[in-house]
Amino acid sequence: GAGVSQSPSNKVTEKGKDVELRCDPISGHTALYWYRQSLGQGLEFLIYFQGNSAPDKSGLPSDRFSAERTGGSVSTLTIQRTQQEDSAVYLCASSLGGLASRDEQFFGPGTRLTVL
Amino acid sequence: AQTVTQSQPEMSVQEAETVTLSCTYDTSESNYYLFWYKQPPSRQMILVIRQEAYKQQNATENRFSVNFQKAAKSFSLKISDSQLGDTAMYFCAMTGNQFYFGTGTSLTVIP
Repeated sequence: GAGVSQSPSNKVTEKGKDVELRCDPISGHTALYWYRQSLGQGLEFLIYFQGNSAPDKSGLPSDRFSAERTGGSVSTLTIQRTQQEDSAVYLCASSLGGLASRDEQFFGPGTRLTVL
Repeated sequence: AQTVTQSQPEMSVQEAETVTLSCTYDTSESNYYLFWYKQPPSRQMILVIRQEAYKQQNATENRFSVNFQKAAKSFSLKISDSQLGDTAMYFCAMTGNQFYFGTGTSLTVIP
């Protein structure tokens, strides 16, 4: 089947605007992950969903960031009142099992967010 | 604290030669999983190899193998017979309360 898809692939926005990033995981994958990758940096873990629940939201950088997952499938990451430091590539991944499993994470192509 | 450290920001290797990428980690968990992921210039991340911490035998996937030293908390990746398509960023990762990634090693295979 299809892999993980993310939309939009690129997003340019003005400082202070809200943005919504979407992730469509592989069908049947129970776990879904959001990461942020800044230039020259590794992957910063943001949040993880097991089904529709997010057991740990402490990775979200600030209260401007929120995420939800509905129907155990699609997830959206919302950034309110964007700041220039939010500029990064946002990666989504899904896996069959959760963190306690050895299951491979399948990554989407990412959304490149640029805040002017 | 759970951390993953990659101390080699950039490396290069001649085509057909062997290269080893280093990774160290810290965790208080007794069981965990370790992974190497590859991110080619096109950006999409793919799994290279994985290792269960409770298994002493080093994982191998074709030209890729790991040297897992649990006591030393070291998990290096060896790429044999390097190919041009191996040029990519390589990330070491570990499971825990969340998924921990290192900062990556940029590998260039030189023709």
